[in-house]
Amino acid sequence: AQSVTQPDIHITVSEGASLELRCNYSYGATPYLFWYVQSPGQGLQLLLKYFSGDTLVQGIKGFEAEFKRSQSSFNLRKPSVHWSDAAEYFCAVGERPGGYNKLIFGAGTRLAVHP
Amino acid sequence: DAGVIQSPRHEVTEMGQEVTLRCKPISGHNSLFWYRQTMMRGLELLIYFNNNVPIDDSGMPEDRFSAKMPNASFSTLKIQPSEPRDSAVYFCASSFSGYQETQYFGPGTRLLVL
Repeated sequence: AQSVTQPDIHITVSEGASLELRCNYSYGATPYLFWYVQSPGQGLQLLLKYFSGDTLVQGIKGFEAEFKRSQSSFNLRKPSVHWSDAAEYFCAVGERPGGYNKLIFGAGTRLAVHP
Repeated sequence: DAGVIQSPRHEVTEMGQEVTLRCKPISGHNSLFWYRQTMMRGLELLIYFNNNVPIDDSGMPEDRFSAKMPNASFSTLKIQPSEPRDSAVYFCASSFSGYQETQYFGPGTRLLVL
């Protein structure tokens, strides 16, 4: 079965510091990969996605992620974190059992930002 | 553009009562998903509709749960009778099905069953 692992449950960084959130997936074929962000009391907002092509993907809010097939990873990065980035981040892989994207989510990483 | 709309945003009910959650997908989208989010199980897909037809309901926990999509702009998720273990945040998402489809999520309904 497909799975997504986000090894870090909680991460705390200082404002202005760089950020990397880890995501590892288990999938037999070329994966469709996503990062979503959930602010408290809100729904999930898509940050970026990878389907094919360039393995470095740019997203909204200054985020980027790099697909590394050899490591089965899709880590999310941001060079300088802002206090408003405090939220929960979910990595997901889309498996296609019947021609649609069935999203398998990781457990999430909760990001806290110190001023 | 209006995103996915869900109502109510919060629901508190007593065990045994019927609960109905509502979703209006993004106009033009032909796929609709219901998810449940809990601390123990994370985000899990309950049911998927394509062109108003249920395609995959393997995630629906039991017969107490049912979902309908009578038209392209409206879906309901019903729990009858509700139980305390159904307390969770329920999300609706929609997409335009295709090779690189992307799901867009609503704000969720926070359900508390006492």
